[in-house]
Amino acid sequence: DAGVIQSPRHEVTEMGQEVTLRCKPISGHDYLFWYRQTMMRGLELLIYFNNNVPIDDSGMPEDRFSAKMPNASFSTLKIQPSEPRDSAVYFCASSLFPFTGGVGGETQYFGPGTRLLVL
Amino acid sequence: QKEVEQNSGPLSVPEGAIASLNCTYSDRVSQSFFWYRQYSGKSPELIMSIYSNGDKEDGRFTAQLNKASQYVSLLIRDSQPSDSATYLCAVLAGTALIFGKGTTLSVSS
Repeated sequence: DAGVIQSPRHEVTEMGQEVTLRCKPISGHDYLFWYRQTMMRGLELLIYFNNNVPIDDSGMPEDRFSAKMPNASFSTLKIQPSEPRDSAVYFCASSLFPFTGGVGGETQYFGPGTRLLVL
Repeated sequence: QKEVEQNSGPLSVPEGAIASLNCTYSDRVSQSFFWYRQYSGKSPELIMSIYSNGDKEDGRFTAQLNKASQYVSLLIRDSQPSDSATYLCAVLAGTALIFGKGTTLSVSS
């Protein structure tokens, strides 16, 4: 399996521009998670999906952020308009359901991340 | 709000020594705990999971869990320079992982 795939790997944009980050989860995984990582705040959960349905978006910082999962193999995280404080590494992760953390240690598998810089 | 706390470090140990990384969590109902390793510029990767009180050993790594004290730790024996990384503690809350900010470990040769 190719693992979780994210694109682009790097994005540099100017304040006010729209940014779209993309993720392809591991085939067969029912859960998809979007995280943001910064030095100040660490790794924060933004939103996660189960079977393409958003379950918890309480971590989405504000209305400028939106996420969709139109099918089991694709998700997007959009920032519109972008601001310099959105600069971070954005990770997508996927996992199997049920995610019970039982024997075998099933957990989330992370993609390589997208490094976003908003000037 | 559920929280996971770690000492940010850096924790510096000489090659061959034991490195001890600690983590506390606020959610008493949590049952599953994980340690991730993150090399600079890379994504987190799972190295240990633990679900029951006590110790769990895997090679040079030992995870320790004390649910009563809401405390989980990771011991790395015979530390190697290749162990230099940031170690993230994660706690399962429902179906989502809550991460600590990580402890940076530096192993000097």
